[in-house]
Amino acid sequence: AQTVTQSQPEMSVQEAETVTLSCTYDTSESDYYLFWYKQPPSRQMILVIRQEAYKQQNATENRFSVNFQKAAKSFSLKISDSQLGDAAMYFCAYRSGSGGSNYKLTFGKGTLLTVNP
Amino acid sequence: DTGVSQDPRHKITKRGQNVTFRCDPISEHNRLYWYRQTLGQGPEFLTYFQNEAQLEKSRLLSDRFSAERPKGSFSTLEIQRTEQGDSAMYLCASSLPAGGLLAYEQYFGPGTRLTVT
Repeated sequence: AQTVTQSQPEMSVQEAETVTLSCTYDTSESDYYLFWYKQPPSRQMILVIRQEAYKQQNATENRFSVNFQKAAKSFSLKISDSQLGDAAMYFCAYRSGSGGSNYKLTFGKGTLLTVNP
Repeated sequence: DTGVSQDPRHKITKRGQNVTFRCDPISEHNRLYWYRQTLGQGPEFLTYFQNEAQLEKSRLLSDRFSAERPKGSFSTLEIQRTEQGDSAMYLCASSLPAGGLLAYEQYFGPGTRLTVT
């Protein structure tokens, strides 16, 4: 079974600075997808960024980028120019790339990000 | 259509009572997922529907839990004889049919927070 580990229960960053959230995962599969989801307080979870395992290039979405190290099974999220609205719980998630019904997401425990003004 | 909706948002019930939650996915999404999120944890997969067919159930889904998706539209999750350990946030998510990169994104609803007293 796949597992996702987020070793940082809480992180804080000053507004306008950069922060990196860590995630490691364990799988025997070669085809899979990795995601970072953001869950603001009392609000819906939204997708921040996605990485396909077959792609060597790291995904980027505006101020959000990932460092995907497939051999090390590491998938960190970098938030540049942090904004107050970035404060939220961030979850790393894994999804198998195999066919059939394996579409479920396996989540880590999350990292609570605080942004200080 | 503005997104995945869930009803009710909060439910307080006494131990031993039955409860039912409803999820309305985004209209063109044929896949629907239920997850459970307890305090300090990431969401855990419960079950998955493709159209009206329930294709996968987690071992977390005991005999007291049942989910349906009649006609492949909305879904209900029922918990019979609730226990205090059932207290959690129940999240619903939906996604597009297979094919294309957008099919991999799961859109989450706001969740139903269940408190069993």
